[in-house]
Amino acid sequence: NAGVTQTPKFQVLKTGQSMTLQCAQDMNHEYMSWYRQDPGMGLRLIHYSVGAGITDQGEVPNGYNVSRSTTEDFPLRLLSAAPSQTSVYFCASSKIGTSGANEQYFGPGTRLTVT
Amino acid sequence: SQQGEEDPQALSIQEGENATMNCSYKTSINNLQWYRQNSGRGLVHLILIRSNEREKHSGRLRVTLDTSKKSSSLLITASRAADTASYFCALNSGGSNYKLTFGKGTLLTVNP
Repeated sequence: NAGVTQTPKFQVLKTGQSMTLQCAQDMNHEYMSWYRQDPGMGLRLIHYSVGAGITDQGEVPNGYNVSRSTTEDFPLRLLSAAPSQTSVYFCASSKIGTSGANEQYFGPGTRLTVT
Repeated sequence: SQQGEEDPQALSIQEGENATMNCSYKTSINNLQWYRQNSGRGLVHLILIRSNEREKHSGRLRVTLDTSKKSSSLLITASRAADTASYFCALNSGGSNYKLTFGKGTLLTVNP
């Protein structure tokens, strides 16, 4: 299994540009999520999905869109990049349990710089 | 949703020593998880402890949970230079079977 894969690894955008960060998993996990990690802030949840066709907002959703057309893929779209979106982005997935969250599997991250 | 608070923010020890990190939280949880992040990499799951458990072990790792004090600790015994990483606690709060809220982490440095 490849686990959780993310592309690209690095990206530089100019303010106002749009782009899509790709995330895929091959573990048939129902739950997928996007986090951003900023120095001193820990990980903050952007958007999440509990299955194909179902998405919801996390803690910091503004400026980002997601969709989940398949179980495997969960792309994150930046609509109009801003310097405040400079961050490291992580995608994660897990099975959905019946008595609490299961362990999450993380991708290697995408380091995004917006100038 | 609540965020766990790790303590200390940074810890520096010598190889062979034990390292203890703590996580405190405010409201009820289903479970609490610990993750490790090596510099520039993704997070890796270490241990999950459920609200009805008090202690779990995995190799050199020992996690305790005290729900009355709303706190957890991660003990790494006989540390190695390769244990140098950031360690995060993640809370799964009551009412959710999937979402986790991460703390800001403890940066552990193990000096050879």
